[in-house]
Amino acid sequence: AIQMTQSPSSLSASVGDRVTITCRASQGIRNDLGWYQQKPGKAPKLLIYAASSLQSGVPSRFSGSGSGTDFTLTISSLQPEDFATYYCLQDYNYPFTFGPGTKVDIK
Amino acid sequence: EVQLLESGGGLVQPGGSLRLSCAASGFTFSSYAMSWVRQAPGKGLEWVSAISGSGGSTYYADSVKGRFTISRDNSKNTLYLQMNSLRAEDTAVYYCAKYYCSSTSCYMDVWGKGTTVTVSS
Repeated sequence: AIQMTQSPSSLSASVGDRVTITCRASQGIRNDLGWYQQKPGKAPKLLIYAASSLQSGVPSRFSGSGSGTDFTLTISSLQPEDFATYYCLQDYNYPFTFGPGTKVDIK
Repeated sequence: EVQLLESGGGLVQPGGSLRLSCAASGFTFSSYAMSWVRQAPGKGLEWVSAISGSGGSTYYADSVKGRFTISRDNSKNTLYLQMNSLRAEDTAVYYCAKYYCSSTSCYMDVWGKGTTVTVSS
């Protein structure tokens, strides 16, 4: 199975900060990667699909990049509602695998 | 409105069985693959299983292969997860998700609210 790693595992940031989260796959996955946001007690929410495509309704401060094995999620200006845990997911092949998550909290 | 509603969770003893259901509405259910994803208490997300729109292809995580069976009834717009030989480590919130595929990309775009499974004596 493809292994996904994320860094950092957690970060503290302030409103207005630029935040970058990275995800790395153990083998090439083309651009078959999504980013999901999860808040406590809630279901995950799709932010980015195909590595860089913004899901409908998601604010444009979220962006994704990368291909192959290295991927990045960027929040250009962190807002109060963005404090959450972020997961990457590879759907290049089965079994799909999530990264371990990055928790973004308030500094 | 596109909706997924899971049910069937509960408390079960180790070695026991449980069947989860996910009722879909607001879209043509048979046209989409579906997945189950779980989250153990305080842990991250774990993909569990997926099934094609027709039900003819199924996929499993190694951690559940041979114990869990995914299925669907397209006439009832319902997805299932039959869980046998349950272990304490299967304790989690179980989410179902719709898997949308275009000509260029695929992703899980709609999620249910989840149902809680607790395996304990």
